Amino acid sequence: DGGITQSPKYLFRKEGQNVTLSCEQNLNHDAMYWYRQDPGQGLRLIYYSQIVNDFQKGDIAEGYSVSREKKESFPLTVTSAQKNPTAFYLCASARSGLSSYEQYFGPGTRLTVT
Amino acid sequence: RKEVEQDPGPFNVPEGATVAFNCTYSNSASQSFFWYRQDCRKEPKLLMSVYSSGNEDGRFTAQLNRASQYISLLIRDSKLSDSATYLCVVKWQAGTALIFGKGTTLSVSS
Repeated sequence: DGGITQSPKYLFRKEGQNVTLSCEQNLNHDAMYWYRQDPGQGLRLIYYSQIVNDFQKGDIAEGYSVSREKKESFPLTVTSAQKNPTAFYLCASARSGLSSYEQYFGPGTRLTVT
Repeated sequence: RKEVEQDPGPFNVPEGATVAFNCTYSNSASQSFFWYRQDCRKEPKLLMSVYSSGNEDGRFTAQLNRASQYISLLIRDSKLSDSATYLCVVKWQAGTALIFGKGTTLSVSS
């Protein structure tokens, strides 16, 4: 089955630790995105990538880093510089970022930092 | 600032009711429009794209008014399973990411 997978579903970390969230897709989509969602809030864009080896900052990139070495994979690292990392993290992909294609989301990772 | 605004609700309606949500967007050059549905603690899922001519999918009808910069979603004959948060989503232009509204919560009761 084609789709987007994120792992793990729940993640707990101590403050000061970096943590990497996985996102993999087998939809052959060119574009991939990372969002975070806080309770009662909308989705906010962290980073996005239109093609392999290229990515752009979204609205709230500070404290995060990404890589896009393979078309299928777009991991997100939450660094210790991120002041409020506890959130629901959603990865999405689209056929192309340069057109009007809809995005499809993975099931998300709930990160709790204490 | 680029904005997509929605009435957060909640909208509490009985089964069988017709309910409408509106959404306004700030960028008149926006290209693409969507409605997503998000269940509690789940990922958003595409409900339908919104076309200039309006479009219908079963009990759901979406309308776009470019002159007034708003999008609407009409749900007829509401079912219990329609209870969710509905996200209005806009794409400003090619090469950019989607902009999400904060969502409108619908609760359908028996």
